[in-house]
Amino acid sequence: GAGVSQSPSNKVTEKGKDVELRCDPISGHTALYWYRQSLGQGLEFLIYFQGNSAPDKSGLPSDRFSAERTGGSVSTLTIQRTQQEDSAVYLCAAQEPSGSLTGELFFGEGSRLTVL
Amino acid sequence: QQPVQSPQAVILREGEDAVINCSSSKALYSVHWYRQKHGEAPVFLMILLKGGEQKGHDKISASFNEKKQQSSLYLTASQLSYSGTYFCGLSLNRDDKIIFGKGTRLHILP
Repeated sequence: GAGVSQSPSNKVTEKGKDVELRCDPISGHTALYWYRQSLGQGLEFLIYFQGNSAPDKSGLPSDRFSAERTGGSVSTLTIQRTQQEDSAVYLCAAQEPSGSLTGELFFGEGSRLTVL
Repeated sequence: QQPVQSPQAVILREGEDAVINCSSSKALYSVHWYRQKHGEAPVFLMILLKGGEQKGHDKISASFNEKKQQSSLYLTASQLSYSGTYFCGLSLNRDDKIIFGKGTRLHILP
């Protein structure tokens, strides 16, 4: 597709359950980010994948959070044993290859997670 | 590494000018500016690389002062469509991650 696709767009889960959020980035965009945005708040960095380099996981808030990127394309963010404070919109962004003119991030529409 | 943005919020009348500032405690490689409208994904405005350049398109421009580790976004003769939250993002090195500030909410009144 032409843009970054995220699924599901909305997810309601019970506290303690595991959730998986998926990001399908733009073909050829070598860098991929996950950010979290709580209601009315900023863009909190979670994890950064850049080509074949080891991912930068420095923003993951706890060991309940993990992410992988298969084949340099699709990425999955997994949250285990969800807590109410995990409720937020999770945004995925793809970035043009290093050396591109703009370095623009293309954001998906986000996955809204609600933990009851 | 998180940048500090100021002000946190601005209310303007259509046609007025605004300046949003972004500062870092560390030396920067690049500064990225995005605008997010309510309920939508952030949209790219511009990127500035170290070298102190100024960029702009339409009536939105930005500067990057490498020595002061600061960037400013200038909105001239603001339009209703400029309303939204503006985020600056910083990267310390080429290929390094982009960390965003907490945002500046801009509201334009007719």
